[in-house]
Amino acid sequence: EPEVTQTPSHQVTQMGQEVILRCVPISNHLYFYWYRQILGQKVEFLVSFYNNEISEKSEIFDDQFSVERPDGSNFTLKIRSTKLEDSAMYFCASSEYSSGTGSPLHFGNGTRLTVT
Amino acid sequence: GESVGLHLPTLSVQEGDNSIINCAYSNSASDYFIWYKQESGKGPQFIIDIRSNMDKRQGQRVTVLLNKTVKHLSLQIAATQPGDSAVYFCAEKVIGGSARQLTFGSGTQLTVLP
Repeated sequence: EPEVTQTPSHQVTQMGQEVILRCVPISNHLYFYWYRQILGQKVEFLVSFYNNEISEKSEIFDDQFSVERPDGSNFTLKIRSTKLEDSAMYFCASSEYSSGTGSPLHFGNGTRLTVT
Repeated sequence: GESVGLHLPTLSVQEGDNSIINCAYSNSASDYFIWYKQESGKGPQFIIDIRSNMDKRQGQRVTVLLNKTVKHLSLQIAATQPGDSAVYFCAEKVIGGSARQLTFGSGTQLTVLP
């Protein structure tokens, strides 16, 4: 079964450093998302992306965050200057159709980001 | 049921028994619901979904029941196996709404006892 893949599985970085989290969505999917999950808490929406532009973003997704689809297969999340509170699991997800149609999201296994 | 915070509701069942995991959703306008399974260190895995025009939907060993009157959703797992041990959480949204409106619950920890 096709799956969303994320790299690295674990990233440790120092406060103030830039990190790039990478994702390869399912190949025939057109809609891409980033979520995060702080340990023990709910999954939270960060951003959705379609047709090479951001569709929607949450309050969490401030100017320190950016997303990019640099080629036909990768989808990246960049945090420019990491803060301690950015420590979380970051999940990439994709869907074949718009989530507005009720198309389920398929998640990757996440990148655990630890900011020290 | 669902709760907010660090302490997840837990459910322990004997291997081979049926499991029932509950979810109380908040938005009466929600018309699309999804159950996800999250194993330790992994991402949420889609199990089954249901739209509000249905009360019941069955998959392989799983059944989702929807009671719109009391805003309640349940996931039944038949003949629970050790591999079913995970956190299960529901998600709700309004079809036609944006991805941002997909709201996740905090989950129930299912432990399957040998």
